[in-house]
Amino acid sequence: DAKTTQPTSMDCAEGRAANLPCNHSTISGNEYVYWYRQIHSQGPQYIIHGLKNNETNEMASLIITEDRKSSTLILPHATLRDTAVYYCIVSYQTGGGNKLTFGTGTQLKVEL
Amino acid sequence: EAGVTQFPSHSVIEKGQTVTLRCDPISGHDNLYWYRRVMGKEIKFLLHFVKESKQDESGMPNNRFLAERTGGTYSTLKVQPAELEDSGVYFCASTPTLGNGELFFGEGSRLTVL
Repeated sequence: DAKTTQPTSMDCAEGRAANLPCNHSTISGNEYVYWYRQIHSQGPQYIIHGLKNNETNEMASLIITEDRKSSTLILPHATLRDTAVYYCIVSYQTGGGNKLTFGTGTQLKVEL
Repeated sequence: EAGVTQFPSHSVIEKGQTVTLRCDPISGHDNLYWYRRVMGKEIKFLLHFVKESKQDESGMPNNRFLAERTGGTYSTLKVQPAELEDSGVYFCASTPTLGNGELFFGEGSRLTVL
């Protein structure tokens, strides 16, 4: 699986948009970009994923550059409960199994 | 719908003892995974079951770890004998056969080896 690079930490004011970048310059053509987060002491939680088109769901938006070498996760209105470690993971999407390689992620701190 | 459940939530044992962790996946999910995070390290893949068969156990650290999934429902992960470096949080996740690749994780079982 391709390796990803994320900033170690970011801060965001509550109510503002949080934009979390991720570099995945070695991504292959059929690898997806997944985002998970881990809120302190809980299990990882799926947020969103995409291949090449931008994606949006009730939690977040995912913007993938045209060359697919980087992406940005956007939390449109961050709240204190969004404080967590966010992981950008590149992986093949398989119906039967998806082995994830977690990196160090980005510690997002949402403050008043 | 119940999520992935893990038991116990926290276990404290002495070095050399045995511990068994249990994971109940979401009903109908054929794929079951074990991951762990040891102190200060990243979350690492341990193994993957498809029903009762081990599809990939490349992440299992050594032969002190034994994972089973008899009947293709719940899974157990036994550590025998436990060592200090086994301390950490063990996560279980499951996915259906025809999913979108999203893994549903449990809350984890924290293991402390003294």
